[in-house]
Amino acid sequence: AQRVTQPEKLLSVFKGAPVELKCNYSYSGSPELFWYVQYSRQRLQLLLRHISRESIKGFTADLNKGETSFHLKKPFAQEEDSAMYYCALSATSNTGKLIFGQGTTLQVKP
Amino acid sequence: DADVTQTPRNRITKTGKRIMLECSQTKGHDRMYWYRQDPGLGLRLIYYSFDVKDINKGEISDGYSVSRQAQAKFSLSLESAIPNQTALYFCATSDSGQGIHTYEQYFGPGTRLTVT
Repeated sequence: AQRVTQPEKLLSVFKGAPVELKCNYSYSGSPELFWYVQYSRQRLQLLLRHISRESIKGFTADLNKGETSFHLKKPFAQEEDSAMYYCALSATSNTGKLIFGQGTTLQVKP
Repeated sequence: DADVTQTPRNRITKTGKRIMLECSQTKGHDRMYWYRQDPGLGLRLIYYSFDVKDINKGEISDGYSVSRQAQAKFSLSLESAIPNQTALYFCATSDSGQGIHTYEQYFGPGTRLTVT
């Protein structure tokens, strides 16, 4: 079965501390993985995707097929990073169907 | 991004009532989706449509129906609302294009539905 697991409901760190939001997936084929973010009072929006291999707002994520993980990392958290983060899996290319994880709330304290 | 709009933004209704949530987009995208968001469960796909004549069930379609009235409009109906359909509902759109990769989805602001 295709599944995305984000084990932490809430991650609380201090400003300047490193951040790692965990995401594990279950899928036997070649997945496409994404991170979406929802800031307070804003819409859900794409943060980054593994295919692009880019860094957005200082965040990076590497697809590890051996560990079936796609953890989101940032070396120095900022208060404006506080938001809800969702990891998502597209199990079938170009269908548009996404399977979302449960979400992790990141709280960056001053 | 005001390109994807949802109405109403908030709705309280009673058990057994029929209710329709509407989604409109000006992005010119072919694909539209309806999700529900529940605390601790993330977003789950209810229905999706790849064009006006193509409607598909998602993960949790029971108790819901949809209508794709035009490329720009995709409505979600609860024929007989029940309390466990209380949730935040999101509409999303995406391009189809010619590529093999999954395209970014653009989300509406959400509709908060409460069924009492």
